[in-house]
Amino acid sequence: EAQVTQNPRYLITVTGKKLTVTCSQNMNHEYMSWYRQDPGLGLRQIYYSMNVEVTDKGDVPEGYKVSRKEKRNFPLILESPSPNQTSLYFCASSLVAGYEQYFGPGTRLTVT
Amino acid sequence: AQRVTQPEKLLSVFKGAPVELKCNYSYSGSPELFWYVQYSRQRLQLLLRHISRESIKGFTADLNKGETSFHLKKPFAQEEDSAMYYCALSGNAGGTSYGKLTFGQGTILTVHP
Repeated sequence: EAQVTQNPRYLITVTGKKLTVTCSQNMNHEYMSWYRQDPGLGLRQIYYSMNVEVTDKGDVPEGYKVSRKEKRNFPLILESPSPNQTSLYFCASSLVAGYEQYFGPGTRLTVT
Repeated sequence: AQRVTQPEKLLSVFKGAPVELKCNYSYSGSPELFWYVQYSRQRLQLLLRHISRESIKGFTADLNKGETSFHLKKPFAQEEDSAMYYCALSGNAGGTSYGKLTFGQGTILTVHP
């Protein structure tokens, strides 16, 4: 089944403890992206990747890192999480940039 | 900079009534515009894309470059249309090659029986 998967789905952590949220797609898509969803703010793009080893900042990249070493994976790294990064995070992929995006199920992160 | 505005956070209509979800954008180049929908307990998914000019589930959206709008319309709303709707813009200005995607704040549509 063609899909985007994210792990973990739920995570509660403490300030400053490094964490990684994984994202994987099995559709051989070139483009992948991370978003956060906050009430009243909609979805905001954190980082995106046009292809392997090609990443760029979205609208809210501060406090996040990404890497794209393989085409199928695009992990989101929070080196030192803070409470303002408490949010619902979505990963998405598309064949190429500008095409329909397929979204993962979301990861609900709470930083205390 | 690219910006998308959905002025209505909440929209309620009765079944069978027409519905219009507003979307205005700000962009200097040639945008790709999308409507995404999130039904309860489901993933965000594409509803329609302006370049395809399709009608999906009875919804249509016309890109009005003069008014910089991309409103979503349906002549007769159904209860199953109740969902969160997002308008989104992807552009090619500044070398982003459509990589940067900006979403509006979203509109929650409720269709009452």
